[in-house]
Amino acid sequence: AQKITQTQPGMFVQEKEAVTLDCTYDTSDPSYGLFWYKQPSSGEMIFLIYQGSYDQQNATEGRYSLNFQKARKSANLVISASQLGDSAMYFCAMREGGSEKLVFGKGTKLTVNP
Amino acid sequence: SQTIHQWPATLVQPVGSPLSLECTVEGTSNPNLYWYRQAAGRGLQLLFYSVGIGQISSEVPQNLSASRPQDRQFILSSKKLLLSDSGFYLCAWSVLLADPRKYFGPGTRLTVL
Repeated sequence: AQKITQTQPGMFVQEKEAVTLDCTYDTSDPSYGLFWYKQPSSGEMIFLIYQGSYDQQNATEGRYSLNFQKARKSANLVISASQLGDSAMYFCAMREGGSEKLVFGKGTKLTVNP
Repeated sequence: SQTIHQWPATLVQPVGSPLSLECTVEGTSNPNLYWYRQAAGRGLQLLFYSVGIGQISSEVPQNLSASRPQDRQFILSSKKLLLSDSGFYLCAWSVLLADPRKYFGPGTRLTVL
């Protein structure tokens, strides 16, 4: 079974609007971490935001926030005030317990229109 | 600040030839190091990780191997490349316990013909 599911292969948003990228996960481990990475066309993977399973509050990093709904096992990324430079692939990932392994979803391609 | 380097940036190799990709990290000591592969249009797959010099853990059986001869150096190798080895190879580092995040290098795009 897939550990990380990103159901949106592509998303479009107008510049300056907010957009939500979906991510659901599957784990039986009570301790885990959820990550979002951005991959522009240059190929590098850029860390955006992290949410630990025991964190009480949703993580925020500038224009990025993670809508963590533990009971639903969802960890959606919200990007506020989209910019043209936000156009990229976005990957959700999870690390379980003491594992060193990051399991990635298949990604969502975000296009910001002017 | 920490920096991670990978080379070469791109590589075209014939089937059956050897491979050596190098990754080095600056600005940190005793990092955890990782090799990931990204096939075209897909997410990342963990290949190897290392928690210290000479310590290598393999996640996926394949014809690739990894070595860590120095604290901040991680090498991905193959004796004979297959067509299926084509992809984008990313090295990453993290500091366990102190920071659960992983930081990626610029990647190497490998094409096996």
